[in-house]
Amino acid sequence: DSGVTQTPKHLITATGQRVTLRCSPRSGDLSVYWYQQSLDQGLQFLIQYYNGEERAKGNILERFSAQQFPDLHSELNLSSLELGDSALYFCASSVEADRGTEAFFGQGTRLTVV
Amino acid sequence: DQQVKQNSPSLSVQEGRISILNCDYTNSMFDYFLWYKKYPAEGPTFLISISSIKDKNEDGRFTVFLNKSAKHLSLHIVPSQPGDSAVYFCAASFYGSSNTGKLIFGQGTTLQVKP
Repeated sequence: DSGVTQTPKHLITATGQRVTLRCSPRSGDLSVYWYQQSLDQGLQFLIQYYNGEERAKGNILERFSAQQFPDLHSELNLSSLELGDSALYFCASSVEADRGTEAFFGQGTRLTVV
Repeated sequence: DQQVKQNSPSLSVQEGRISILNCDYTNSMFDYFLWYKKYPAEGPTFLISISSIKDKNEDGRFTVFLNKSAKHLSLHIVPSQPGDSAVYFCAASFYGSSNTGKLIFGQGTTLQVKP
């Protein structure tokens, strides 16, 4: 158990809909990362928050947004969903925000868009 | 643009033998490298890391080698055990103008260790 909790574990929704994925980081971790893993692909970095503020952005679509709340949990909002958004979405957390820190990953949310 | 590449999608070895997983990178600004292991239905788990100031780091059965001139790193598992069967991801990070710990991942190599 990494200590990172993601909910829900599975989500099936229709095209055009909006969903929210939730992540609770490990106790004491200030940094939260979101990654997307599509079929047979590596993990693609989406966005990072550190202590409530956006720290880095990857190739995150404009239809996607995220935030980190004062209690440090984070949510990833995906809207106007398309079939191609079907993927595993991982949240990770680390104590610090910078390089060289090993991030701990949650079990992921498997999103299926039908 | 795939900055971190794992060119072997899969690898099969016999229990007790050595497993060697390879990873190449293109961005010379990367200065910290990590290996993660992933079992089905679980998130990636950190395995071992290496800074660019080193060429080797060892942790039990796991050793990572870094060849900066070739922009290549490898993970050696000796001896391999059936429980090592998983997907192994190579990842890299760098100190850019913004202080971030984001990781750039390879596509992964599926290791199967046969009893």
